[in-house]
Amino acid sequence: QQPVQSPQAVILREGEDAVINCSSSKALYSVHWYRQKHGEAPVFLMILLKGGEQKGHDKISASFNEKKQQSSLYLTASQLSYSGTYFCGTEWRGGSNYKLTFGKGTLLTVNP
Amino acid sequence: EPEVTQTPSHQVTQMGQEVILRCVPISNHLYFYWYRQILGQKVEFLVSFYNNEISEKSEIFDDQFSVERPDGSNFTLKIRSTKLEDSAMYFCASSEMAGPAFFGQGTRLTVV
Repeated sequence: QQPVQSPQAVILREGEDAVINCSSSKALYSVHWYRQKHGEAPVFLMILLKGGEQKGHDKISASFNEKKQQSSLYLTASQLSYSGTYFCGTEWRGGSNYKLTFGKGTLLTVNP
Repeated sequence: EPEVTQTPSHQVTQMGQEVILRCVPISNHLYFYWYRQILGQKVEFLVSFYNNEISEKSEIFDDQFSVERPDGSNFTLKIRSTKLEDSAMYFCASSEMAGPAFFGQGTRLTVV
C-alpha cells in the first residue's frame, strides 16, 4: 500500500514555513524523505527509524509517529532551493522481503 | 563519492521490441530496486532485489518485466515486448541493509 501524502502542492514565499504529511495504513519499519528537482533523480533527505523520532538538518526536520503510522516533514524559513517535489517513502519488511514505496509527492514552490 | 550509474540515459525503441536497461549499484550495497516515473506523475515501485532474487514486486511488474544481476556489478531490467505506456523514466536505486536508497540519474525510455 502506497503512503498518502498531503497536501499535493504548496506555494510559499521565501522565509515561510511548510509541513508535509505522510501516512500509511500498513505497519512500517521506517519512513524516508526524498526531494526531487525537475528532471533529476530523487535525493535522500533523511530516514526515521523509531516511533516518535525526530530528525533534521539545516531547517528541514521530520517526525515519525510509529503508533499512528504517520510522518511529517517540516520546512522552516524556506529558501528558493527548497523548491521541488517531496516524496515520503515507507519501508516495509516481512522476513527477507523488503519494499520501499513512495507516496505521490508534494510539489513545493518557493517564490522570492 | 560512490554513485549509482545507469545506461543509457535515453533509449528510443519501437513498440514490441525488447529493451534492457542497465544499472551499476553502489558496490557495497545489498538491496537493489527499479522504479518508474511516468512524466509528471509519482515515482512507482517496480521491484526490489536482494540476495540474487526478487524480494518484492508490484502489480506493474508483470511477466513482461524481468531483472537480473548477471555479474557482481550490474543490475538489469528487461522489458520483453514494449508498449507505448511503458514510456517513462526508469530509476535504479540501491541501499545498504535497510538504509536510504540512492538513485541513479535514470533512463528515459520512449516507446514509439
